[in-house]
Amino acid sequence: GNSVTQMEGPVTLSEEAFLTINCTYTATGYPSLFWYVQYPGEGLQLLLKATKADDKGSNKGFEATYRKETTSFHLEKGSVQVSDSAVYFCALKTYNNAGNMLTFGGGTRLMVKP
Amino acid sequence: NAGVTQTPKFRVLKTGQSMTLLCAQDMNHEYMYWYRQDPGMGLRLIHYSVGEGTTAKGEVPDGYNVSRLKKQNFLLGLESAAPSQTSVYFCASSYAAGRQYFGPGTRLTVT
Repeated sequence: GNSVTQMEGPVTLSEEAFLTINCTYTATGYPSLFWYVQYPGEGLQLLLKATKADDKGSNKGFEATYRKETTSFHLEKGSVQVSDSAVYFCALKTYNNAGNMLTFGGGTRLMVKP
Repeated sequence: NAGVTQTPKFRVLKTGQSMTLLCAQDMNHEYMYWYRQDPGMGLRLIHYSVGEGTTAKGEVPDGYNVSRLKKQNFLLGLESAAPSQTSVYFCASSYAAGRQYFGPGTRLTVT
């Protein structure tokens, strides 16, 4: 079956530090890959996505590249801000006749200190 | 547009009690989903629906029932709550295989 593994948190960084959150996956076929962000007290929001190998998703300064050879989709940001403090979820999607199924990793909490 | 809304936001139940969580969306989406979120485990799919009048089991359906009588609403029922069902519940909706939009969540505690 499908699975997503993320680095455990919390990750604590100072403002303007470089961020990497690791994500690896196991899937049959060719999944689409996603990063979702959850701010305190809110639901999940789509941050970025990539639909095929070597695609790079980017949004709000965050980037992730779909690496089929290493089955990875690591999230990076060059300079984090306090407002980036949130929980980040890596996810994959495969398509079947029954639905639009997302498989999530366990989430990584990021705390950015001023 | 309100997007995806969930009612209630918080609830405390005693073991054995029943309750229904309501999810509503105003985006005319065909697909709707119920997830539960537990620490360190991400979100896990409980049940989903690909259209009005249809429902299907997800990864962790035991102890839950759902109904989709109207396209815009997706109800999640707990007939006899157990402490293991203490969790945060998220509803989501999408156009078929498109992007899923999530509600703000319902925090349920079963004592």
